[in-house]
Amino acid sequence: GAVVSQHPSWVICKSGTSVKIECRSLDFQATTMFWYRQFPKQSLMLMATSNEGSKATYEQGVEKDKFLINHASLTLSTLTVTSAHPEDSSFYICSAPSTRTSGGGDTQYFGPGTRLTVL
Amino acid sequence: DAKTTQPNSMESNEEEPVHLPCNHSTISGTDYIHWYRQLPSQGPEYVIHGLTSNVNNRMASLAIAEDRKSSTLILHRATLRDAAVYYCILRDVGGGSNYKLTFGKGTLLTVNP
Repeated sequence: GAVVSQHPSWVICKSGTSVKIECRSLDFQATTMFWYRQFPKQSLMLMATSNEGSKATYEQGVEKDKFLINHASLTLSTLTVTSAHPEDSSFYICSAPSTRTSGGGDTQYFGPGTRLTVL
Repeated sequence: DAKTTQPNSMESNEEEPVHLPCNHSTISGTDYIHWYRQLPSQGPEYVIHGLTSNVNNRMASLAIAEDRKSSTLILHRATLRDAAVYYCILRDVGGGSNYKLTFGKGTLLTVNP
């Protein structure tokens, strides 16, 4: 099946620094990608929709100046957490839709996630 | 997307079938029923989806009620690797290509050896 990768798989940083997370679709093109955040013992919360060649669409309550998203190519989207603080520590997951599945109804392919710890 | 209701947790024994229920009483005619699962410390993975008819694939089966207000994900022989959180999600594919998925709390499946 389709593969989505994320890099890095985990990162530890100091408070106030910025961290960039990459999301790549390895064997298909994705004009749209999604970024989710998941806190321990909780479900995934959609943060934003990344659109290739245009601005990202952020969900209500997500600070666009803090979580910068760039979708410069059909296979790469990046999420930059600027001026990270301990409360930004979370599991960040990206996904990309694929229409390969037959019978209607798109499916999503998810990356393995990036564990961010801000000290 | 319309809301779904799932039990918080379920337990199964290895090599036995597992039936994971999902209620979606407000489902609309253009909603597909999708199932994803998330293994510990991993991103979710697609399991199966359907619209009206029952569906089978190599991972699982999806049984959809005739009125479509509920569905059941069936794992025919649970293994320890099937221990995960299972999410039932409705996707409205009518009238546009909004691919967003809204995750509920899902069902935590524990598989006992």
